[in-house]
Amino acid sequence: NAGVTQTPKFQVLKTGQSMTLQCAQDMNHEYMSWYRQDPGMGLRLIHYSVGAGITDQGEVPNGYNVSRSTTEDFPLRLLSAAPSQTSVYFCASSSTGPVGQPQHFGDGTRLSIL
Amino acid sequence: QKEVEQDPGPLSVPEGAIVSLNCTYSNSAFQYFMWYRQYSRKGPELLMYTYSSGNKEDGRFTAQVDKSSKYISLFIRDSQPSDSATYLCAMSGAQKLVFGQGTRLTINP
Repeated sequence: NAGVTQTPKFQVLKTGQSMTLQCAQDMNHEYMSWYRQDPGMGLRLIHYSVGAGITDQGEVPNGYNVSRSTTEDFPLRLLSAAPSQTSVYFCASSSTGPVGQPQHFGDGTRLSIL
Repeated sequence: QKEVEQDPGPLSVPEGAIVSLNCTYSNSAFQYFMWYRQYSRKGPELLMYTYSSGNKEDGRFTAQVDKSSKYISLFIRDSQPSDSATYLCAMSGAQKLVFGQGTRLTINP
């Protein structure tokens, strides 16, 4: 029972490089989201999706793109990495949405931008 | 002002102690209240879930919600070293889900 799987677990990038953080869930959840976790800031919502083909911005979307072509996958793309994007990134999913539903989290991707 | 305020700690207590973790909030639309536990280098996992005001007990854990004071609490009885983790409160309503900063808790044997 995999739940939410994130890859890679660790990554170091240089400023200006691009990369994609992968997220996959096997629970047939419609709602998926990306958060970043920084010391003293808690979890902040980057982007979310309510179903395949539908995405929207969260609290801190600048510098990130997402797409949702299947129910299972929700990749997060960094277009041109900046040191301010050094963080731990978590993908989460739930059956219908953020309200009244427990969120299932992956174990995160630790990203350092040099 | 943040919608959800949580003391980040760190909090260190001896094994067997009763632990009290708290959050305050400002948005009256919040109706669902949750506590997540996050072990080091892991994702948050749901620990307790309550709807509206009142108490909910699950083993050594008790969650309390006081909507009139906009205050929620998590109590851990007979704390164990395995309870050492970061605890995040979360609340949702009106299409929003907001997390607190998290409190880092250490239980010393």
